[in-house]
Amino acid sequence: KAGVTQTPRYLIKTRGQQVTLSCSPISGHRSVSWYQQTPGQGLQFLFEYFSETQRNKGNFPGRFSGRQFSNSRSEMNVSTLELGDSALYLCASSLGAQGVYGYTFGSGTRLTVV
Amino acid sequence: QKEVEQNSGPLSVPEGAIASLNCTYSDRGSQSFFWYRQYSGKSPELIMFIYSNGDKEDGRFTAQLNKASQYVSLLIRDSQPSDSATYLCAVKGGNKLVFGAGTILRVKS
Repeated sequence: KAGVTQTPRYLIKTRGQQVTLSCSPISGHRSVSWYQQTPGQGLQFLFEYFSETQRNKGNFPGRFSGRQFSNSRSEMNVSTLELGDSALYLCASSLGAQGVYGYTFGSGTRLTVV
Repeated sequence: QKEVEQNSGPLSVPEGAIASLNCTYSDRGSQSFFWYRQYSGKSPELIMFIYSNGDKEDGRFTAQLNKASQYVSLLIRDSQPSDSATYLCAVKGGNKLVFGAGTILRVKS
């Protein structure tokens, strides 16, 4: 059974540009969450989607957005990139709406903003 | 006050000893509790989850939950050098899974 797939693995962007990251959950998983991980802040919750609906959003500026498609694949977009957006972006999927069996993480996308 | 708090460590234990990792949380309505392990340069890996007060054992790992004290712990018995990693406590309340900053565990052979 394939795990959570995130693409691309690495990205280098310039300040002011925008970026789109992709996440394909485990087959059958309908809940997808996104996290930003940095050495100083740890894992910070960005948003969670279930059945194409955003159910919760973390404390990030509106430059961070996301969506989920009918096949449960999800994308997140960051516009007007800032140096501080450099981080590892992790996607996690879970089987049900409440994630009662936990969340499985993908390998992440490492974004570097220069 | 942070929503989920962990001692950053590092916690150093000799090989074969019991490692005890602790976590406190602020949201009394939290219902699900998870422990993740993260090796350097890798993504978090789920070790255990617990929902009810008391202990839950899985191999060398035991998770303990005390909702009245808003406290979760993870015990690792017979610690091995391969257990050296950062251990993340995660708490789910509503539709959000909140992580602690993690505790670095070092097992010395």
